[in-house]
Amino acid sequence: GQNIDQPTEMTATEGAIVQINCTYQTSGFNGLFWYQQHAGEAPTFLSYNVLDGLEEKGRFSSFLSRSKGYSYLLLKELQMKDSASYLCAVKDSNYQLIWGAGTKLIIKP
Amino acid sequence: IAGITQAPTSQILAAGRRMTLRCTQDMRHNAMYWYRQDLGLGLRLIHYSNTAGTTGKGEVPDGYSVSRANTDDFPLTLASAVPSQTSVYFCASSDDGGAQDTQYFGPGTRLTVL
Repeated sequence: GQNIDQPTEMTATEGAIVQINCTYQTSGFNGLFWYQQHAGEAPTFLSYNVLDGLEEKGRFSSFLSRSKGYSYLLLKELQMKDSASYLCAVKDSNYQLIWGAGTKLIIKP
Repeated sequence: IAGITQAPTSQILAAGRRMTLRCTQDMRHNAMYWYRQDLGLGLRLIHYSNTAGTTGKGEVPDGYSVSRANTDDFPLTLASAVPSQTSVYFCASSDDGGAQDTQYFGPGTRLTVL
């Protein structure tokens, strides 16, 4: 079966750095996506990785290791507005997105 | 530019009733999707459409139907609602459904079936 695992909840301090991990087992791989979802709102796109390595986009970076079936999202200089759920999703061999349950990130002052 | 709109925003429905959730996009995207999101679970694909006139079944299609008469609209119909269909429903669209294609989501419809 296909599976995406990520921690259910994480807590971090404003101004700090947090790393959210995602491991996956899917039938085929056509890229990995990270989305942000604030409570009661729609998911919004953060990043896409298809090759191994780190993609940096401002305060957010995403890393991929295809051989390990592993990705992480790194958030730097945390702000209160970063409190949200972060969703990991893999595009499988049928080009369908398989989603993790999401990691709820709580930022404390 | 509105992006993707969904209606209604929320709805309480009696079991056994028929309900259509509406989704419209103005980005001229070819591909559209319906997901449901339940607490503790990832988004699950109900139905999708890669282009106007075609539809396909996702992971959890039972009890739902869709149509894609044109590029912009992708309604989801619950023929006879059951309490297990209580969920938040998100419509999404993307350019062509390919590998690097990013999906953009509507604001969601919160549906309660009693």
